[in-house]
Amino acid sequence: DQQVKQNSPSLSVQEGRISILNCDYTNSMFDYFLWYKKYPAEGPTFLISISSIKDKNEDGRFTVFLNKSAKHLSLHIVPSQPGDSAVYFCAASRNRDDKIIFGKGTRLHILP
Amino acid sequence: DTGVSQNPRHKITKRGQNVTFRCDPISEHNRLYWYRQTLGQGPEFLTYFQNEAQLEKSRLLSDRFSAERPKGSFSTLEIQRTEQGDSAMYLCASSLVPRLWNEQFFGPGTRLTVL
Repeated sequence: DQQVKQNSPSLSVQEGRISILNCDYTNSMFDYFLWYKKYPAEGPTFLISISSIKDKNEDGRFTVFLNKSAKHLSLHIVPSQPGDSAVYFCAASRNRDDKIIFGKGTRLHILP
Repeated sequence: DTGVSQNPRHKITKRGQNVTFRCDPISEHNRLYWYRQTLGQGPEFLTYFQNEAQLEKSRLLSDRFSAERPKGSFSTLEIQRTEQGDSAMYLCASSLVPRLWNEQFFGPGTRLTVL
């Protein structure tokens, strides 16, 4: 049973535009949400996170939005840059110290 | 700055053989996690350690899998009697708890191919 779902396997966005990656979760016990970025032949790299007590967290070009009632979160990248081309994993855990449950990932292509 | 390292990076073995992977976490990190990633999937949790204590094991971790972290530093993951279904990328991550953000730092992974 997939507790964290990323329904778009891939997404193509023009350079300079906004990239929006979506994620849904089913486990209401999740309290903490993360986004990881992965380049080929490397391990995932932490990007940004949000606690369930917030609905938005921003870090530079990256903003994560959380809608708890809909069990939905999204990652916005503005403006998109060529180096943003990677696989993005949405992830969740029951608290900050617990194991992380990952989605299947969305491959983002930034077009020139 | 030394990140998480994993050895070997690639391992090809024949079905039925035993394999062992090593993970060296970031030195001050007390948590160490093992994940497995197959094609088209995200990393799946296998097990984790707090210092030398193994605190949780996933249902995915069959009896053929064993992990150790004997001195609370590096960790090994052994797979006995490998099967073709064990072919995957095995990822190790480490973190420091408690802290404000549970940021797990991942190594580059060990890619296992079972023929």
